[in-house]
Amino acid sequence: AQKVTQAQTEISVVEKEDVTLDCVYETRDTTYYLFWYKQPPSGELVFLIRRNSFDEQNEISGRYSWNFQKSTSSFNFTITASQVVDSAVYFCALSEATLVFGKGTRLSVIA
Amino acid sequence: GAVVSQHPSRVICKSGTSVKIECRSLDFQATTMFWYRQFPKQSLMLMATSNEGSKATYEQGVEKDKFLINHASLTLSTLTVTSAHPEDSSFYICSARSGFQETQYFGPGTRLLVL
Repeated sequence: AQKVTQAQTEISVVEKEDVTLDCVYETRDTTYYLFWYKQPPSGELVFLIRRNSFDEQNEISGRYSWNFQKSTSSFNFTITASQVVDSAVYFCALSEATLVFGKGTRLSVIA
Repeated sequence: GAVVSQHPSRVICKSGTSVKIECRSLDFQATTMFWYRQFPKQSLMLMATSNEGSKATYEQGVEKDKFLINHASLTLSTLTVTSAHPEDSSFYICSARSGFQETQYFGPGTRLLVL
């Protein structure tokens, strides 16, 4: 069965600190996709990144970076120099036919 | 990125009435749309998957007669909550994708409050 675990329920950091959100997944499939979504207080889910199982290259987009480690079934997300606007719930998800979401990590960035 | 809209964003209704929520893909054709429900401080729960022109596939425990889903075109899916009760109050979010391996893009959600 597919499963996504986000062990960190809530994280608080002070502005400008770096923060890493953990994501561990389980699947028996060899082809799959991993996602990160951001859900700000307004409620809309904002797509951040998609990774397929054959691409283990790390990715950087501005202050965001992702570390995909197939050997440990992890897809961690790091925000560098966090800002108050980064405060949101972040969901990691695994996809085959449908998306399986983790329970989310609530990030609070304090000014 | 692709844009998905939802209407209404917020609705308050009396118990026993029906409420229709629309989900539209604005700049792409959505072969598949999904409906989720989210309770406060919880993750998203998939309710059903709908493919254009065919009947929706409901997740276990979701009443198909209560949550009617129609996906009549490649850009529009509707969710109708029939005979709504206070326990149906929740945040409903739709998503859409253009192909099996494609990314799901989400709408802004609809907050339903049943009095």
